[in-house]
Amino acid sequence: EPEVTQTPSHQVTQMGQEVILRCVPISNHLYFYWYRQILGQKVEFLVSFYNNEISEKSEIFDDQFSVERPDGSNFTLKIRSTKLEDSAMYFCASAKRGPEMSTEAFFGQGTRLTVV
Amino acid sequence: QKEVEQDPGPLSVPEGAIVSLNCTYSNSAFQYFMWYRQYSRKGPELLMYTYSSGNKEDGRFTAQVDKSSKYISLFIRDSQPSDSATYLCAMSAKKLIFGTGTRLQVFP
Repeated sequence: EPEVTQTPSHQVTQMGQEVILRCVPISNHLYFYWYRQILGQKVEFLVSFYNNEISEKSEIFDDQFSVERPDGSNFTLKIRSTKLEDSAMYFCASAKRGPEMSTEAFFGQGTRLTVV
Repeated sequence: QKEVEQDPGPLSVPEGAIVSLNCTYSNSAFQYFMWYRQYSRKGPELLMYTYSSGNKEDGRFTAQVDKSSKYISLFIRDSQPSDSATYLCAMSAKKLIFGTGTRLQVFP
């Protein structure tokens, strides 16, 4: 069964460092997302990406964050100058159809980011 | 008012019980309604989705949407210990908006 894969599963970084979280979406999917979940809190939307550009982003997704699809298979989230409050689980998701017709978004297992 | 409200629980039931999980929402633009299951430190796993109002059944799971009341439900029949997880409702306009999740514990 196809699945969204994320690497690494756990990333520890020092405050102020840059991290890149990687995702391989399901191969025939066209819409890609990043969500995050701070421990004990709800899953929050960060950004959606379609046709090689951001289609929507939340207020959390400020200039510290960027996304890229550097090749045909990977989808990355870069966090510059990490802060302690960036510590969270980061989930990548992909979907065959777009958000206005959104039904099935499949999530990866997440990357646990710990900023120390 | 929060866009999506969900009782965080925990909800503890004996094996075999019928479980009712609920969410309310405020945004009438939502058209798609999903239920995800999340095990500890894992990604959300899609269980069911429903478009607009109505019911949908899949095995032991039934999803209901009442758009007039802005209320959605997930029923689990014959609950099993393996159903113990956090259940997240999610709704879609241009992005998925999640509830906080309800932690369910099914004890043998």
